[in-house]
Amino acid sequence: DAGVIQSPRHEVTEMGQEVTLRCKPISGHNSLFWYRQTMMRGLELLIYFNNNVPIDDSGMPEDRFSAKMPNASFSTLKIQPSEPRDSAVYFCASSPQGSQGNQPQHFGDGTRLSIL
Amino acid sequence: AQSVTQLDSHVSVSEGTPVLLRCNYSSSYSPSLFWYVQHPNKGLQLLLKYTSAATLVKGINGFEAEFKKSETSFHLTKPSAHMSDAAEYFCVLDSSYKLIFGSGTRLLVRP
Repeated sequence: DAGVIQSPRHEVTEMGQEVTLRCKPISGHNSLFWYRQTMMRGLELLIYFNNNVPIDDSGMPEDRFSAKMPNASFSTLKIQPSEPRDSAVYFCASSPQGSQGNQPQHFGDGTRLSIL
Repeated sequence: AQSVTQLDSHVSVSEGTPVLLRCNYSSSYSPSLFWYVQHPNKGLQLLLKYTSAATLVKGINGFEAEFKKSETSFHLTKPSAHMSDAAEYFCVLDSSYKLIFGSGTRLLVRP
């Protein structure tokens, strides 16, 4: 079975540029999560979607970050304008039934983002 | 407040010897707990989960964990380490849809 698919795997760009990260969740999963991982802060939840609707975006750092889920099989995380402190690994995860009922989240391999 | 504490940031073992990665949790209700493993440049992979059924949980790759409510612990063990087990391990508490991650334990396996 295909797992969570993220693209690109690596992204290097200059500060000020727009960055778009993409995620395809596991088919049939109706919850999707975006995380950011850094050495200093570990794994942080950025935003959670259930049935394509954003439920909790309290972890989104600031207005430069936005996320969309236009349909059940695709989500994007956009940073505009990007800054060097946004450099991190960004993970997408999906889960059936909103992680209620103790269903674990399945993670993609991440996008390693470097802002110069 | 709910929290997860991984007691060791690094654990080093020799190949073929037992592995013990320690995790303590704090939760005001019956918790759901997971162990995930992260290999370099990869995402997190689920090893096992505890959801209030059996207290001894068996996972993939020979790992298991025992839920001990009296000690608020959920330690991960494996009888015999393989070189391929070298990775970072996260103990995770499920708080509705939010996962509360421990700080991680890096397992080093010496030949």
